[in-house]
Amino acid sequence: QKEVEQNSGPLSVPEGAIASLNCTYSDRGSQSFFWYRQYSGKSPELIMFIYSNGDKEDGRFTAQLNKASQYVSLLIRDSQPSDSATYLCAVNPPGSNYKLTFGKGTLLTVNP
Amino acid sequence: DAGVIQSPRHEVTEMGQEVTLRCKPISGHDYLFWYRQTMMRGLELLIYFNNNVPIDDSGMPEDRFSAKMPNASFSTLKIQPSEPRDSAVYFCASSATQGGGYEQYFGPGTRLTVT
Repeated sequence: QKEVEQNSGPLSVPEGAIASLNCTYSDRGSQSFFWYRQYSGKSPELIMFIYSNGDKEDGRFTAQLNKASQYVSLLIRDSQPSDSATYLCAVNPPGSNYKLTFGKGTLLTVNP
Repeated sequence: DAGVIQSPRHEVTEMGQEVTLRCKPISGHDYLFWYRQTMMRGLELLIYFNNNVPIDDSGMPEDRFSAKMPNASFSTLKIQPSEPRDSAVYFCASSATQGGGYEQYFGPGTRLTVT
């Protein structure tokens, strides 16, 4: 069974701090990993994707992938109140064509 | 560039009525996905198309749900008859897989309420 697990939160961090969001997946052969941000009442918005082990940085966001541990994380540096949202982790398991399996998301709250 | 377009944005209907949701994918995208999102179940894939052909409809909850994609720029998701448990937000997403990309881009969603 293909599963993507995330802590539902809420994760609360003060403004300016680093927010760390974590995701584990069950299918060891998964190759592509995505982070989506979803504001309340809005649609998911793609913010990062990572295909290789290691870190990938884009502005204040860093995605980290460890395939051996089946673990992907998203770090948000200098967190802002505007980062408050639900963050969805998505995985493309092998043999699933172009389907993505989504976690249920982690609610992040950045306090001013 | 226009993103994925969905209509209507909100739909309120009575149990037993037919509901049709519409989606226009991003131009040039060859995959189209229909999702349903609820608090309890999260984001669930219902069906997806490649080049207008349905590839996997295993997520469609029951025969009351049907989807079509008559051309590359239009898809519909139909529920007939609708039931209160169908109340959810329905998203359409599209992706362009040339070059091996798997990124999906979501439309604004249709919030369906069945009373």
